[in-house]
Amino acid sequence: QSVLTQPPSASGTPGQRVTISCSGSSSNIGINFVFWYQQLPGTAPKLLMYRNNQRPSGVPDRFSGSKSGTSASLAVSGLRSEDEADYYCAAWDDRLSIWLFGGGTKLTVL
Amino acid sequence: EVQLVESGGGLVQPGGSLRLSCAASGFSLRSYAMHWVRQAPGKGLECVSAISGDGGTTSYASSVKGRFTISRDNSKNMLYLQMGSLRPGDMAVYFCARDGLQGGLDYWGQGILVPVSS
Repeated sequence: QSVLTQPPSASGTPGQRVTISCSGSSSNIGINFVFWYQQLPGTAPKLLMYRNNQRPSGVPDRFSGSKSGTSASLAVSGLRSEDEADYYCAAWDDRLSIWLFGGGTKLTVL
Repeated sequence: EVQLVESGGGLVQPGGSLRLSCAASGFSLRSYAMHWVRQAPGKGLECVSAISGDGGTTSYASSVKGRFTISRDNSKNMLYLQMGSLRPGDMAVYFCARDGLQGGLDYWGQGILVPVSS
């Protein structure tokens, strides 16, 4: 099954800005919205960003999203220790008619 | 309060079958598409199946097509995943998730482990 492409890891020190990329194709990111999920160890994923750059209620504005063509990115500014988690991008794939996820990026706060 | 609660997991031998259930509460299930997403130990997320609000449209990941069947009973607020011909590679935590009105999977169950081993 195809997946979206993310770097396996990212890191930064408290207060820094970190960006996580997500690459897809014309049948998913290229024509549909991108969503981001945060998963803390041992818990279910949580919707962090919807429709490319919209934050659900309760998500700090330190998190921002963007999309261009068949790629997207999630930025975390003012990094905090509680941001340490796995982050997944996702997009609906029109060819497969199913949600595709990126492989996940483990964010470490040094 | 929206809640999704999975049940039905348990150790199954390769080649065996299992049915997972997801009880939905706090919202009208019929208004939402639903999905099953799995996560193998230490691995990423994989959406294995999707079903429309009325149950008329379903889709499957190629890894489970022909072996898994998704269904729903809106009158009971229940979602199901019938899994057959299970393989060791199907071992994972299985989550049910709601497709929100703004798009994206906005609510998830706590997940249920399906171990596949002889």
